[in-house]
Amino acid sequence: EVELLESGGGLVQPGGSLRLSCAASGFTFSNFAMNWVRQAPGKGLEWVSTISDSGDSTYYADSVKGRFTISRDNSKNTLYLQLNDLRAEDTAVFFCAKEIYSVVYYYAMDVWGQGTTVTVSS
Amino acid sequence: QSALTQPASVSGSPGQSITISCTGTSSDVGNYNLVSWYQQHPGKAPKLIIREGSERPSGVSHRFSGSKSGHTASLTISGLQAEDEADYFCCSYAVTNTYVFGTGTKVTVL
Repeated sequence: EVELLESGGGLVQPGGSLRLSCAASGFTFSNFAMNWVRQAPGKGLEWVSTISDSGDSTYYADSVKGRFTISRDNSKNTLYLQLNDLRAEDTAVFFCAKEIYSVVYYYAMDVWGQGTTVTVSS
Repeated sequence: QSALTQPASVSGSPGQSITISCTGTSSDVGNYNLVSWYQQHPGKAPKLIIREGSERPSGVSHRFSGSKSGHTASLTISGLQAEDEADYFCCSYAVTNTYVFGTGTKVTVL
């Protein structure tokens, strides 16, 4: 069964850092681009970042550029999101999501994790 | 990149059909056939129900269909059922090498 399992969320003070992880199973992780999407409490979905299958190419939403870093370890079937300089407006559930087709991206996200909650508050 | 525009809410009675619109620009919906739709029940992860504008992934009910005209994509739910009550989000590739989501629509089954 194809599965994504996020971890690493928690309560952090403004200006703090967190690293989120997403463990993948049930598919050839190294063949697929991956995404992070977040959802603030009571709000809609917001795309955060995309990384290519090899990890060579990364893309970010303007709202997180320069503060968040996406990466992956294909030997460990794990996706990461490093969150730095966190702000109250970053409070959200963060989902990792798999691209539907191998190699290419921006077609659709067909498998989602259950999400991990990040709360930024003093 | 601004969010795609969806109606905040749409409602219908069981058995009826409803349509949710998703309006973008020439930088996203208007120039690419890469619109996807997601269903999200409260407290759950989103679920892909339409890809590439009108294609249903395996296992998705035939009651869901997608289309596009110009800068506006649409999701139609036919034969509305109680289990269809959820939030729905459209999503498109955008020219700036990003995804952009819609504002979201709450579907209520009366």
